[in-house]
Amino acid sequence: EPEVTQTPSHQVTQMGQEVILRCVPISNHLYFYWYRQILGQKVEFLVSFYNNEISEKSEIFDDQFSVERPDGSNFTLKIRSTKLEDSAMYFCASSGLQGKNTIYFGEGSWLTVV
Amino acid sequence: KQEVTQIPAALSVPEGENLVLNCSFTDSAIYNLQWFRQDPGKGLTSLLLIQSSQREQTSGRLNASLDKSSGRSTLYIAASQPGDSATYLCAALGGYLYGNKLVFGAGTILRVKS
Repeated sequence: EPEVTQTPSHQVTQMGQEVILRCVPISNHLYFYWYRQILGQKVEFLVSFYNNEISEKSEIFDDQFSVERPDGSNFTLKIRSTKLEDSAMYFCASSGLQGKNTIYFGEGSWLTVV
Repeated sequence: KQEVTQIPAALSVPEGENLVLNCSFTDSAIYNLQWFRQDPGKGLTSLLLIQSSQREQTSGRLNASLDKSSGRSTLYIAASQPGDSATYLCAALGGYLYGNKLVFGAGTILRVKS
């Protein structure tokens, strides 16, 4: 079964450093997402991406965050200057037709900011 | 604002028992509702997707129902097994009012005792 793959699985970074989380969505999918889950809290939406641009973003997704699809397969989330409160599991997801199809999630990238 | 609530927060049952997990959402303007399984420290595995026009979906021992008018969904697990132990999340895909993003509940932690 096709799957969404994410790297790294776990990253520890110092506060103020830049982090790039990488994702390879399912190959024929058109919509890409980032969600995050702070330990013990709900999974929450960050951003959706379609046709090479952000289609929607949450209040969390401020100027320190950016997303990019640098080639035909990868989808990245960059956090410019990490804060302690950015520590969370970051999930990449993808889907075919938005609103119609299952959204598939990757295994997540654990980010620990120290 | 769409809110998703799951009851109970935790459930412990003996192996072989049938069980029901509950999910409620505050606004019925959803495209679909998705049930996920999450093992500790792992990603989200999609179990079932119910479109807003559907009443239920079945996959193996799992059956999910949707009652949009009352804002409720249930996940029925038949003949539970220890391998079913995990956190079960429901998520509503909001319509035009909320954007095309999943709003998650906090999950039900299920433990099936052998």
